[in-house]
Amino acid sequence: RKEVEQDPGPFNVPEGATVAFNCTYSNSASQSFFWYRQDCRKEPKLLMSVYSSGNEDGRFTAQLNRASQYISLLIRDSKLSDSATYLCAVKTSYDKVIFGPGTSLSVIP
Amino acid sequence: NAGVTQTPKFQVLKTGQSMTLQCAQDMNHNSMYWYRQDPGMGLRLIYYSASEGTTDKGEVPNGYNVSRLNKREFSLRLESAAPSQTSVYFCASSESSRRTANLEPLHFGNGTRLTVT
Repeated sequence: RKEVEQDPGPFNVPEGATVAFNCTYSNSASQSFFWYRQDCRKEPKLLMSVYSSGNEDGRFTAQLNRASQYISLLIRDSKLSDSATYLCAVKTSYDKVIFGPGTSLSVIP
Repeated sequence: NAGVTQTPKFQVLKTGQSMTLQCAQDMNHNSMYWYRQDPGMGLRLIYYSASEGTTDKGEVPNGYNVSRLNKREFSLRLESAAPSQTSVYFCASSESSRRTANLEPLHFGNGTRLTVT
């Protein structure tokens, strides 16, 4: 079993839709959690860090559930420009950072 | 600010050849990482270095060696390239969580596209 797993996707949604991605991790010692966005195999760019209490940045909301060992990303009012691959990342106390396989999102006009 | 710089951007090797991918960061980060990404897959950790002088294996270390030359530089070496190592390689750096105890994300270089024929 991979250390970090994500919804397989792809997700194809119409503009304006709300879409949610889930990510589970197996290492209970994991300390930090992130969502990255990647376009066309360019370098990943940080979308959001995930705080223990959950956090919101505009149309994006991230949640962490340590008991169930998963994080989620909610995108509201999807835009065409949100089309990308979304990667979750998990950092352990030893600074090892493992990425999930990514979930592809296509927002359709 | 240069951030994380990787060289070369592109490379074609023949099976059995060796090469070193270079990575340097100017953000004074303690931690550095090498990942590979194959088509349709996420990033897989090859090796990482949590501080100068230390290196640790990641998910897919076989066929690679690394050197943390100093705090700025972390190189990845392929001693005998194989077609299975055809991939995009990303270097990244981060401040150490042990120093800041905060949510320090990774900062990535632009990647090296390697083809082994």
